[in-house]
Amino acid sequence: AQSVSQHNHHVILSEAASLELGCNYSYGGTVNLFWYVQYPGQHLQLLLKYFSGDPLVKGIKGFEAEFIKSKFSFNLRKPSVQWSDTAEYFCAVILEWAGNKLTFGGGTRVLVKP
Amino acid sequence: NAGVTQTPKFRVLKTGQSMTLLCAQDMNHEYMYWYRQDPGMGLRLIHYSVGEGTTAKGEVPDGYNVSRLKKQNFLLGLESAAPSQTSVYFCASSRRDQPQHFGDGTRLSIL
Repeated sequence: AQSVSQHNHHVILSEAASLELGCNYSYGGTVNLFWYVQYPGQHLQLLLKYFSGDPLVKGIKGFEAEFIKSKFSFNLRKPSVQWSDTAEYFCAVILEWAGNKLTFGGGTRVLVKP
Repeated sequence: NAGVTQTPKFRVLKTGQSMTLLCAQDMNHEYMYWYRQDPGMGLRLIHYSVGEGTTAKGEVPDGYNVSRLKKQNFLLGLESAAPSQTSVYFCASSRRDQPQHFGDGTRLSIL
């Protein structure tokens, strides 16, 4: 079955540190890729998306992600995190045959220490 | 512009009780979705709808029913609640091939 894997369940880091969250999917065809963020007690918000074109995608709040098709990966990065980046981050994909249905990874909880 | 609104925000049920969660969107989106969120499992799709009057099963549909009588509303029903349905439920909506917009969630506990 197709799936989305996020390698780290929990990440703890200090302010100004760099962040990279891994995401891999298991599907050989065309995909649309997303990263969503969920701040404590809030709903999911879209950070960035990749549909086609430049595989390096820039999103909101200084986040970016790189689509590497050969590695089936879509890792999220931020060069310098802030305390306000404490949240849970979800990678998600839409498979080409699946209409608009999102398949989510299990999420990564990020705690940024002040 | 409210976006996606879910009611209620919290609910406690006893095993065997029934209830309906309401999702309303004011963005004229064709697609609507119901997810449940459980720790370590991300969001899993329960049911979805690609237009008024249509519904389809998602990844975890058992124990739930849905209806989309109006384009702006998508109802999720639990006919006989079970403790395994304790979760946070999210509704989302979108246009075709566009990112989904999520509601604030409904925290449901079943005792």
